[in-house]
Amino acid sequence: RKEVEQDPGPFNVPEGATVAFNCTYSNSASQSFFWYRQDCRKEPKLLMSVYSSGNEDGRFTAQLNRASQYISLLIRDSKLSDSATYLCVVSLYNFNKFYFGSGTKLNVKP
Amino acid sequence: EAGVAQSPRYKIIEKRQSVAFWCNPISGHATLYWYQQILGQGPKLLIQFQNNGVVDDSQLPKDRFSAERLKGVDSTLKIQPAKLEDSAVYLCASSLAVAASQETQYFGPGTRLLVL
Repeated sequence: RKEVEQDPGPFNVPEGATVAFNCTYSNSASQSFFWYRQDCRKEPKLLMSVYSSGNEDGRFTAQLNRASQYISLLIRDSKLSDSATYLCVVSLYNFNKFYFGSGTKLNVKP
Repeated sequence: EAGVAQSPRYKIIEKRQSVAFWCNPISGHATLYWYQQILGQGPKLLIQFQNNGVVDDSQLPKDRFSAERLKGVDSTLKIQPAKLEDSAVYLCASSLAVAASQETQYFGPGTRLLVL
């Protein structure tokens, strides 16, 4: 079983739409959670960390559900520039092991 | 601030040949990571250094892959001999803190390897 699983998509949405992605992780001992964004043929870049209480950064909201072992990313008022692959990342704190999901592709259409 | 530097950016070799990649992390970053990203997949951690010591190399195919980080700064990743399935982008990343799990990883542009 994969450590981190994501729906590969693609999610095709119009500008202005709200879209949500989920990511499930298998190890209940996982401690740290992140969303990274990766544009085509570019390197991943940190979008936001995911805290237990949930966190928001502008149009982006991340949530953690430890009981069900998933994290989510909500994007409101989608922009064309949000088109990218969104990577879910999980780490085991004390072991410093990082596991990336395969990514969810988002296409925002005019 | 300069980012993570990697070279070469592209490399084409034939199977059974050797290849080496170089990474220079952001100045002052204690932790350095090498990832392999196969097309359509997420990055897979190959090896993680903290200063010049190895923290995790559990997913490094040690029969053909090796990495070192002399003096706790630059790092090289070598493949010898290469196989067709090694075709991928090799990403180097670095982070500031020793306790790295809560810290941002900054990625370099990657080296695209094609094995023929």
